[in-house]
Amino acid sequence: DAGVTQSPTHLIKTRGQQVTLRCSPKSGHDTVSWYQQALGQGPQFIFQYYEEEERQRGNFPDRFSGHQFPNYSSELNVNALLLGDSALYLCASSLAFWLAGNEQFFGPGTRLTVL
Amino acid sequence: DAKTTQPNSMESNEEEPVHLPCNHSTISGTDYIHWYRQLPSQGPEYVIHGLTSNVNNRMASLAIAEDRKSSTLILHRATLRDAAVYYCILMYGNKLVFGAGTILRVKS
Repeated sequence: DAGVTQSPTHLIKTRGQQVTLRCSPKSGHDTVSWYQQALGQGPQFIFQYYEEEERQRGNFPDRFSGHQFPNYSSELNVNALLLGDSALYLCASSLAFWLAGNEQFFGPGTRLTVL
Repeated sequence: DAKTTQPNSMESNEEEPVHLPCNHSTISGTDYIHWYRQLPSQGPEYVIHGLTSNVNNRMASLAIAEDRKSSTLILHRATLRDAAVYYCILMYGNKLVFGAGTILRVKS
């Protein structure tokens, strides 16, 4: 089992550009969550996808959007990049988002640097 | 979102037990208590979770106070590989709300 995979590993963009990050969940998982982790801080929840729909959303602007595909993989899109968007973006997968308390499995993250 | 309070950092000797405390006085009846840890340059890793009763697994034990307003993660024999940031999280539904966590340093 490959676990949760994310691509790319690192990415450098300039202000105003758009970026797409990708995530493949752990085999058998149907729910994908995205988190942003700034340097020295804990991860912050962005949103969660299940059955190709956004089910929960954290306190992030509309510049952050996502998508889930029929094979459960997911993309995170960020438009009009700001310097403050520089962070580690983490993807986590789990089973059945409506089940309270399920453990989440995290990928290694994508390090985004905005210049 | 319910919040947790943890010490900023703790230090332990190798092969000794470690007790990592967490306060969550605003916990609701349906919040699960989760612990994750994050090693340098890696994504968070699930450690253990519970609702009301104490829990054990191969990694650690979780002791939950009777009123559920606090909990303690117990690593029975710390190793150098246990040095990480440990997050205590209250989970409602399927969303994790991370705090700053506790930096655990393990001395050889």
